[in-house]
Order: sequence, then C-alpha cells, then structure tokens
Amino acid sequence: DVKVTQSSRYLVKRTGEKVFLECVQDMDHENMFWYRQDPGLGLRLIYFSYDVKMKEKGDIPEGYSVSREKKERFSLILESASTNQTSMYLCASSLEQGADNSPLHFGNGTRLTVT
Amino acid sequence: SQQGEEDPQALSIQEGENATMNCSYKTSINNLQWYRQNSGRGLVHLILMRSNEREKHSGRLRVTLDTSKKSSSLLITASRAADTASYFCATVDNYGQNFVFGPGTRLSVLP
Repeated sequence: DVKVTQSSRYLVKRTGEKVFLECVQDMDHENMFWYRQDPGLGLRLIYFSYDVKMKEKGDIPEGYSVSREKKERFSLILESASTNQTSMYLCASSLEQGADNSPLHFGNGTRLTVT
Repeated sequence: SQQGEEDPQALSIQEGENATMNCSYKTSINNLQWYRQNSGRGLVHLILMRSNEREKHSGRLRVTLDTSKKSSSLLITASRAADTASYFCATVDNYGQNFVFGPGTRLSVLP
C-alpha cells in the first residue's frame, strides 16, 4: 500500500514565522501535490511537482513555496505565516504524468493554526 | 478551470438506506474519480471512471458517468454508520494532469 506521511498532524505557529510542512511518500511516485482544504471551498491546489527539483504553481501559490530535493519528499514552505493561512494542508502523490490509472494517494493532513 | 460540483452539500439518512450523490463538471475530462474523507483525515480513493466508461461497481458502491451531461453519480447501497464521511469527486483534464475537486457531499448515516 502506498503510504504518504505528513510530519505533523497539528501545528500552531505565530504570524510572521517561517513554517515548513513535510511530506514523504514511499512508492516512488513521480508526482506530488500540496492542497489546502477549507470549509465550503473544497481542496485547492497550491503547488505540484512532476519530478525532482521541478515545481509548478497551482491555483493559489501566493504566500507559499515548495522544495523537492529528493523524489520521495515534497516540502511546503510558508515564508511568513499569516492568519489567513490557517487551514488543513493535504499532501498527495500519484504515478507518472499522464498515467491512465493514477489516483491520488493522500496523507492524513496537517491542521495548521496561525495566531 | 473546470470544477466538479457535488450535490447535495449534505445528506442525512438512516442505516440500511441508499445514498446518492451527484457531481457535475464543466469541461471535457480524461477521467473522473470519487474520494472519501473521514473527519480530520486525508482523502481515500474509491473509484476511477475513464471518459469512455459508463458504470462501475465496487462492493456497495455504484458509480455512473454521463459525459454528454457532464455528470456522475455515486450510489452507496445499504448504508452503514461507518459510511459517514465526506465524498468528493475530482475531474482530471485531458492531459491526465490536473485534478480539480468539488466542495464535497457530507454524508451522515444514522444508526
């Protein structure tokens, strides 16, 4: 079974702090994604990556950056946390780009609160 | 961007009843997927429907896809309290890349 592990389930940070959310997958998946989930808004894509050292902006990249130095690890960085970044953050991975049968495998999420 | 929209937003039923959730989208797709999310957890993949598929079954789940109406439905038969969760549809574009999720249907199955 694919396992996607997010380093923290709950995180509380102060406004202005730099925040790192870590995600690791163990199935050699090419693609990795970061979403945020807010009530009534569903999942919104922040950034994704199709390969090591490669990154693409999603729908809401402002205020975030990412790092993918190794295939199995995809980090989301909040350069200067703000209260409107309080949310549930979900990491996901999938097989190679364009693969016909490539569902997303999600981690259990990190609930971030910025005070 | 294309978007799946689930309907209804919330559904409350008794154990043993069937639950039907619908998803509509706007543009052509490569495939459509259904996911389940238990409270406070990540999403779990349920079923993938390719654009040329019309119906699939998986246990108590039955999914249909009508590309002419740009809609899909998820039916859970003989529901159980353990089916209580949020259910999301996600559409995948023709490049097989971008997943776009709807806001989900929150299903409550009462014992």
